[in-house]
Amino acid sequence: GQSLEQPSEVTAVEGAIVQINCTYQTSGFYGLSWYQQHDGGAPTFLSYNALDGLEETGRFSSFLSRSDSYGYLLLQELQMKDSASYFCAVLPGSTLGRLYFGRGTQLTVWP
Amino acid sequence: DAGITQSPRHKVTETGTPVTLRCHQTENHRYMYWYRQDPGHGLRLIHYSYGVKDTDKGEVSDGYSVSRSKTEDFLLTLESATSSQTSVYFCAISGEKDGANVLTFGAGSRLTVL
Repeated sequence: GQSLEQPSEVTAVEGAIVQINCTYQTSGFYGLSWYQQHDGGAPTFLSYNALDGLEETGRFSSFLSRSDSYGYLLLQELQMKDSASYFCAVLPGSTLGRLYFGRGTQLTVWP
Repeated sequence: DAGITQSPRHKVTETGTPVTLRCHQTENHRYMYWYRQDPGHGLRLIHYSYGVKDTDKGEVSDGYSVSRSKTEDFLLTLESATSSQTSVYFCAISGEKDGANVLTFGAGSRLTVL
């Protein structure tokens, strides 16, 4: 089976940097994804890592270490609009593209 | 943006009644998914489809059935709703972006079972 662990809550102030960690256990592994969800909204795709290392997309970066079964999402220059829930999700290797999600991390950004 | 719509967006029903949620996509995607989201549980896969009339169970399929008679429509049915099925239900379609498998979600259907 699959299990993912991420912190339930993180708080930070505007302009700061925050890191949301995700550790996973999976029977197969193709990649780790991150999704953002604002209150009352739908999850939206942020990033995907299939190989070890850092992927950067603007203010957001995502890191993966396959040997440690660990990844993180790094958010820089935090803005109020970044307050949301962030989910890591693993693609265990099925060709059908089924993702297994963590329970989510609620990020609150204070002014 | 992928065209994916869910209906109804909100529904209140009573225990024991049947409920059908509809997901409609205009992107001709092969793969479609139904997830439920509950506080403290993240998103959990109920059922998924990999083509017309091809469906399979996810993590939390008990009490749910699905049908896909056309590429564009994926229906989720609760044959006899229970209070434990009070949840927000998200439909999703699967696509690829820069080598990544990406799910695009509908806006969600909030179901309350009294």
